[in-house]
Amino acid sequence: DAEITQSPRHKITETGRQVTLACHQTWNHNNMFWYRQDLGHGLRLIHYSYGVQDTNKGEVSDGYSVSRSNTEDLPLTLESAASSQTSVYFCASSVGQAFQETQYFGPGTRLLVL
Amino acid sequence: GENVEQHPSTLSVQEGDSAVIKCTYSDSASNYFPWYKQELGKGPQLIIDIRSNVGEKKDQRIAVTLNKTAKHFSLHITETQPEDSAVYFCAAYQGAQKLVFGQGTRLTINP
Repeated sequence: DAEITQSPRHKITETGRQVTLACHQTWNHNNMFWYRQDLGHGLRLIHYSYGVQDTNKGEVSDGYSVSRSNTEDLPLTLESAASSQTSVYFCASSVGQAFQETQYFGPGTRLLVL
Repeated sequence: GENVEQHPSTLSVQEGDSAVIKCTYSDSASNYFPWYKQELGKGPQLIIDIRSNVGEKKDQRIAVTLNKTAKHFSLHITETQPEDSAVYFCAAYQGAQKLVFGQGTRLTINP
């Protein structure tokens, strides 16, 4: 079955380190998204991509970067991890009109920055 | 920009009763309103959505209503079951590639 996976599921890192979170989907969806989830804030968009070689900043993109070299993967990089980036990160994908269609979410990565 | 307020933050109902979660949005241009359910340890999953050209949509025990004039929309779950226990998120799409989520409602179904 088609699916969307994230790795690692849990990560502990230190302030200042570079961290990369992986996202892989097998639906062949053009659109992919990264969100962070914090208590009291719901889900907030970090970056999104409409297709290969396309990336766009979301609401809370500072300190994060993404690259899209193929349809299946959208890795999220924290250039220099900060304690404020401790959060649960969700990757999602969709077809069609990106934000106005069903987004399929991965299981999440829980990141702790010490 | 768009702002979405969701209430209540927690809701506890007896099994078999109905549950209602309400959201308000600020931008009258918003035209797409999905609801997501998130079970413990999992990612959110779409359960129902509504577009601005309709006022109500039903899918078995779940319904969503939209009042464009008042700028609010609600999720209704009837005949609640233990498996309905989860966190529910509303969202509103205004355009400019932005889907804004509410803060979430933790629903608990008591047997």
